[in-house]
Amino acid sequence: DAGVTQSPTHLIKTRGQHVTLRCSPISGHKSVSWYQQVLGQGPQFIFQYYEKEERGRGNFPDRFSARQFPNYSSELNVNALLLGDSALYLCASSFGQERADTQYFGPGTRLTVL
Amino acid sequence: EDQVTQSPEALRLQEGESSSLNCSYTVSGLRGLFWYRQDPGKGPEFLFTLYSAGEEKEKERLKATLTKKESFLHITAPKPEDSATYLCAVVVAGTSYGKLTFGQGTILTVHP
Repeated sequence: DAGVTQSPTHLIKTRGQHVTLRCSPISGHKSVSWYQQVLGQGPQFIFQYYEKEERGRGNFPDRFSARQFPNYSSELNVNALLLGDSALYLCASSFGQERADTQYFGPGTRLTVL
Repeated sequence: EDQVTQSPEALRLQEGESSSLNCSYTVSGLRGLFWYRQDPGKGPEFLFTLYSAGEEKEKERLKATLTKKESFLHITAPKPEDSATYLCAVVVAGTSYGKLTFGQGTILTVHP
């Protein structure tokens, strides 16, 4: 069975540019969460989407936005990139909202901002 | 403020030398506690979910336990392939079910 997939694997951008990261959840999962992980730290929560609606937002600026599509895949958008946005961006999927379901992570997208 | 603290930050073991990793949490209410393993440059790999104090889960050389204040990940007779960063995370009552709050991780190195 396919796990969570993310694209692209790696990305290099310059300051001020825009980036879109993509995520496909495990089949049957309706919830997608996004995390940012900088080197040496645990992942930090950015967003959760369930049934195409935002259900949670972390402490990130408005330059970060996301959406979920009818097939439950998701995009994370970051505008006006800063050097500090360089990180591993992780997507995780789970069944839904009834309880604290186990989240399964994708391989991540490594973003480098120059 | 909800907080998850893992100790030690790094642990070096000889192959076969059993030990434990600690995850202490200070939260308003615990909905679930999760253990993940992460290899360098890769996404976290799920290990265990614990929901209630007293609960225990086992898988191969790993055993996770949960109390009202902390969780332990016990590693019995580790092998070099167990070397990784082990992450602990919680879902807190009153927050999004999809929001994991992570500790900083414990870097485990097992020498042959």
